[in-house]
Amino acid sequence: DAKTTQPPSMDCAEGRAANLPCNHSTISGNEYVYWYRQIHSQGPQYIIHGLKNNETNEMASLIITEDRKSSTLILPHATLRDTAVYYCIVRGGWSNFGNEKLTFGTGTRLTIIP
Amino acid sequence: KAGVTQTPRYLIKTRGQQVTLSCSPISGHRSVSWYQQTPGQGLQFLFEYFSETQRNKGNFPGRFSGRQFSNSRSEMNVSTLELGDSALYLCASSRESNQPQHFGDGTRLSIL
Repeated sequence: DAKTTQPPSMDCAEGRAANLPCNHSTISGNEYVYWYRQIHSQGPQYIIHGLKNNETNEMASLIITEDRKSSTLILPHATLRDTAVYYCIVRGGWSNFGNEKLTFGTGTRLTIIP
Repeated sequence: KAGVTQTPRYLIKTRGQQVTLSCSPISGHRSVSWYQQTPGQGLQFLFEYFSETQRNKGNFPGRFSGRQFSNSRSEMNVSTLELGDSALYLCASSRESNQPQHFGDGTRLSIL
């Protein structure tokens, strides 16, 4: 019951910016957009999250459209180590039922080309 | 700062046995969640613990259980193992609710 749609795969040249799109047209007002990535044989790695404003950290930038129905994760200078499956996840906040679970879709397999 | 630590990294069991997996969260994190990852089903939520109490549970049979200790460390137990339980079991911790969850590298369980 993933609430997001992502392209199954993308390629990006090493050193260029990688732009990964995500559609979440049914997002509700209190739901956040999270991005994780998973490199083969490792656990998912948290990248960034946001509610409605654009966010930036040491790993990436997150651009959320004004209507919040889509977002883009930007890796500014992709390296070979950024090759991974990237998951865009919509997740609500805490409720009386506890920390809302993360629901992972199939993600985007990003391949960085040397 | 140490990340989430899961032990063991690999485990081989046979059908009918039981297994206990361990997770040490990041220091200061009180919420621990468990997930099962398989190629066919992807990542599926098992349960979440906070301050030694199970707060949320996924759609898994009662053979899957867990607990959390006062130091926030958590264990997951699977009884009467089946071939379909072969998977990567991931633990994730967060400081409080509505904070990003950080994952360990998992325990890869193989059932023969």
